[in-house]
Amino acid sequence: EDQVTQSPEALRLQEGESSSLNCSYTVSGLRGLFWYRQDPGKGPEFLFTLYSAGEEKEKERLKATLTKKESFLHITAPKPEDSATYLCAVQTNSGYALNFGKGTSLLVTP
Amino acid sequence: EPEVTQTPSHQVTQMGQEVILRCVPISNHLYFYWYRQILGQKVEFLVSFYNNEISEKSEIFDDQFSVERPDGSNFTLKIRSTKLEDSAMYFCASSERQGDQPQHFGDGTRLSIL
Repeated sequence: EDQVTQSPEALRLQEGESSSLNCSYTVSGLRGLFWYRQDPGKGPEFLFTLYSAGEEKEKERLKATLTKKESFLHITAPKPEDSATYLCAVQTNSGYALNFGKGTSLLVTP
Repeated sequence: EPEVTQTPSHQVTQMGQEVILRCVPISNHLYFYWYRQILGQKVEFLVSFYNNEISEKSEIFDDQFSVERPDGSNFTLKIRSTKLEDSAMYFCASSERQGDQPQHFGDGTRLSIL
């Protein structure tokens, strides 16, 4: 059975304190790995897609990387506005449904 | 920036009643999806829809559920004979293509079954 596990469940950072969120996956054939941001009461907002091991994508203070077993979302010098739940989702070769992890709730304090 | 629009934002319904959740996907998108998120749990796939047909569905999407594109702009999810456990956030998403284009989500409809 395909599994997506995100860690930690919650993370509290001081403004400027860099860290990484982890998404480990066990799937039969990876088509793509997606990172989304979700603010309270809102829908998931697309951040990145990664397709193959070694691939990296960057956007402002966020950088996503992919290996054959996991993906990392690196947050450099975070600001309070980066506070949100970050969701990882995988898409397999069997279809186009997104299989989500439970997310990491990030709180950045001033 | 174009966005997926969902209505209503909150729907309260008595158990056993039928509900229709509505979505307006991004205008040039051809693929449409419904997901749900029960409080405290992960986002779960329900169904995908393309060219007026269901292209993929999960085990959750049983005979209680149906989807329809009644006109050129709306995409609906109908839930018949609602149960308490149907209470959740329901998200609509759309994508321009499948595979190399991301799914863009609306802000959801919170469905509360009493």
